[in-house]
Formats: sequence, C-alpha cells, structure tokens
Amino acid sequence: DVKVTQSSRYLVKRTGEKVFLECVQDMDHENMFWYRQDPGLGLRLIYFSYDVKMKEKGDIPEGYSVSREKKERFSLILESASTNQTSMYLCASSFFFGTSAGELFFGEGSRLTVL
Amino acid sequence: AQSVTQPDIHITVSEGASLELRCNYSYGATPYLFWYVQSPGQGLQLLLKYFSGDTLVQGIKGFEAEFKRSQSSFNLRKPSVHWSDAAEYFCAVGAAGYSTLTFGKGTMLLVSP
Repeated sequence: DVKVTQSSRYLVKRTGEKVFLECVQDMDHENMFWYRQDPGLGLRLIYFSYDVKMKEKGDIPEGYSVSREKKERFSLILESASTNQTSMYLCASSFFFGTSAGELFFGEGSRLTVL
Repeated sequence: AQSVTQPDIHITVSEGASLELRCNYSYGATPYLFWYVQSPGQGLQLLLKYFSGDTLVQGIKGFEAEFKRSQSSFNLRKPSVHWSDAAEYFCAVGAAGYSTLTFGKGTMLLVSP
C-alpha cells in the first residue's frame, strides 16, 4: 500500500522556536508538496519540489523554507515560529509523468500549535 | 490562473438520501479534476479523478462525478448516503504538464439519522 508518512501528528511549540516537519514517501514519486489547511480557507500550497534539491514557492511561502536532500524525504522548516502559523500541515506526493501524474497522495497531517 | 469554487460550506443530508456536491472551476484549457475526502483528523483520500474521455467518472465508495465543460462544473454525486460518508469534501483542479493542484475551500457533509 502506498504511504506518505509525516513524522509528528501533533506538535506544540513556543513563539520563536525553529520547527521541523518531516515527510517521507515510499512510492518513488518525483513531486512532493507541503500544504497548509485552515478552517474556511481550504488547502493552500506552501512549497513543492519536483526533484532532489529543487524547490518552488507556492501561494504562501513567507515564513517557511523547505529541504529535499533525498527523493523520498521533504522537510518543512519554520525558522521562527509565530502564532499565526498554528495550523494543520499536510504533506503530499505525486508522479511527475505517466497516467497518474497530478494525482496527490497525502499524509495524515501534522497539527502544529504555536504558543 | 486556476481557481475552484465550492459554493456550499456545509450540507446536511438524511441517511439514505441522494447527495450532490457542487464544484465549479476556472481554467482555460482542459483541466484535470479531482475529488478528495477528508475524515476528521486525517489526510485527504482520492475519491475519483477526471483526466479525459468519458465525462461520467466512477470512484470509490459509490461516488461518481460528471464533467460538464459548458458549465465548468465537476459535481460529485452519490445515490444513497451512509452515515460513514460524513466528512469534508474537496474539489481540485490541475492540468497536463503542471504538478500542482488548486483546491476548493471544501464542503462539510453532515449526515442526519
């Protein structure tokens, strides 16, 4: 069964802390994504990566950075967490080519609370 | 730019009744269209997708959706709703050659006994 695993389901951090959210996929997907989900706003794309060491900004990249050192792993970094970054964070992956290109597979999410 | 509108924030349906969730998209070329479902505290699961061909698409859990180009719509339907269908539903649009999807804001489905 395909799997996208997010390292932490729930995190509580303090303002100003550096936060790492880790995501691993076992499907050999080229693309990986980080979305943020807030009530009434749906899913908003933060960053995505189509290859190792490659990254592209999404719709709301401010306050975030990402790292992709290996194909299967994509990390989201909050350099200095703020209360307005309290949210649910969803990682996803997909193929770049082929008949399933574009279909996203999601992890279960990481709920971050910043105090 | 792509956009997706789900006009209904919440919908309540009686168990056993039929369901239709609306989705309208804006995109210049032929879109790729998706419906995802999210149960509380979980990630998103793909229900069905449309890439090309037959405009009526069958998915998992008894769901179907119809692509209507003239109306820029991709509405999700189910003939008889079960209590376990209570969840949030997201419509998304993508395109050939583009890796990212644009999501609607979601419709929360409540199922009454």
